[in-house]
Amino acid sequence: QLQLQESGPGLVKPSETLSLTCTVSGGSISSSSYYWGWIRQPPGKGLEWIGTIYNSGSTSYNPSLKSRVTISEDASENQFSLSLNSVTAADTAVYYCAFMIFGVVTHWGQGTLVTVSS
Amino acid sequence: ETVLTQSPGTLSLSPGERATLSCRASQSVSSSYLAWYQQKPGQPPRLLIYGASSRATGIPDRFSGSGSGTDFTLTISRLEPEDFAVYYCQQYSSSPFTWTFGQGTKVEIK
Repeated sequence: QLQLQESGPGLVKPSETLSLTCTVSGGSISSSSYYWGWIRQPPGKGLEWIGTIYNSGSTSYNPSLKSRVTISEDASENQFSLSLNSVTAADTAVYYCAFMIFGVVTHWGQGTLVTVSS
Repeated sequence: ETVLTQSPGTLSLSPGERATLSCRASQSVSSSYLAWYQQKPGQPPRLLIYGASSRATGIPDRFSGSGSGTDFTLTISRLEPEDFAVYYCQQYSSSPFTWTFGQGTKVEIK
């Protein structure tokens, strides 16, 4: 059974870089058919797609975040990662890693709260 | 970029009642790539409906989806206590490659 687990710091200072890793079990991130992504949810608000990695390294990002986001993968560890630079309080959110196929998210990590504060 | 607008923002109903949730797109969306999710507090969303009208594995048949073009609907035929939650619609586009969520509809107990 496919499982995803986010990990990373829960507190990041303003202007610094938020870095999270998603560890995948029960499936290989190297499959060309699979898409892996990051979605976030500010406290009490809705869901926002951040970006997706697919086809062993191709990426696509939300235009509103594109200048600050990088998603990468480490096939040897079966992990993919999120880097978001120049963070502000507006980036405080629960960050979910996700498995996407045929245009939908079928599997989600449990989510990790990242707070941006000095 | 396609914007999804959900209505109403909050739906106050009693168990046993029918819930009708709307998702309107700013431009035509492929029905193949319109999905609905349910989210309860402290949990990630759960896929309910994909392809506008197909139920995901394990989803009860009281949940149904319909629509095409720019107007889509999620219907819960008879609300069970566990159905009170927030519901999101979502669309995927391959050109440009984007994923978009609606702002959500909260179904609360009246």
